[in-house]
Amino acid sequence: ELKVEQNPLFLSMQEGKNYTIYCNYSTTSDRLYWYRQDPGKSLESLFVLLSNGAVKQEGRLMASLDTKARLSTLHITAAVHDLSATYFCAVSAYSGAGSYQLTFGKGTKLSVIP
Amino acid sequence: KAGVTQTPRYLIKTRGQQVTLSCSPISGHRSVSWYQQTPGQGLQFLFEYFSETQRNKGNFPGRFSGRQFSNSRSEMNVSTLELGDSALYLCASSAEALRALGSYEQYFGPGTRLTVT
Repeated sequence: ELKVEQNPLFLSMQEGKNYTIYCNYSTTSDRLYWYRQDPGKSLESLFVLLSNGAVKQEGRLMASLDTKARLSTLHITAAVHDLSATYFCAVSAYSGAGSYQLTFGKGTKLSVIP
Repeated sequence: KAGVTQTPRYLIKTRGQQVTLSCSPISGHRSVSWYQQTPGQGLQFLFEYFSETQRNKGNFPGRFSGRQFSNSRSEMNVSTLELGDSALYLCASSAEALRALGSYEQYFGPGTRLTVT
């Protein structure tokens, strides 16, 4: 059974600071996804990482993937309040009959304090 | 392009009742997946439909079922509701064209918030 672990689960940080969220997974996969969820809202796709060494950046967020270590990181640079949300990583793995199931981590609830 | 839509957005039901939730995928997307999100268990995969066929199912009891229509719209049904079924039910669609590029990215709808009393 594929397991996806995120840490930390809760993160409170001051504006302007940097921090990294970690996502470890238990199977060989080179497809990892990061989503953002605001309270009471749905999931918004942030990054799609499709190969070892992939790095993507959008604004103050940068995601990377190391398939050998089965690890992805989401780095936050100079945090601002608008980044407060819950961030999920998800891994896709083949589950038969043409289906690639997404397995999600528990999420990291980020609070950026002024 | 319109996103994934789900109806209803909110629903209150009583234990023992049944409920049907609806999902319309992004135009051109033929794969629809359903997820249950609760504070305790997080996001859990329910099932996936493609071309009117269920091609994957998560570890949920038989009370949870679904179907997909020829226009790719999907419904999920929960019979004999239990208090523990209270959750946000999310529908997601994906495109076969992206699969050809190696991406299984899913696009999520706004969800249906189900409360069972």
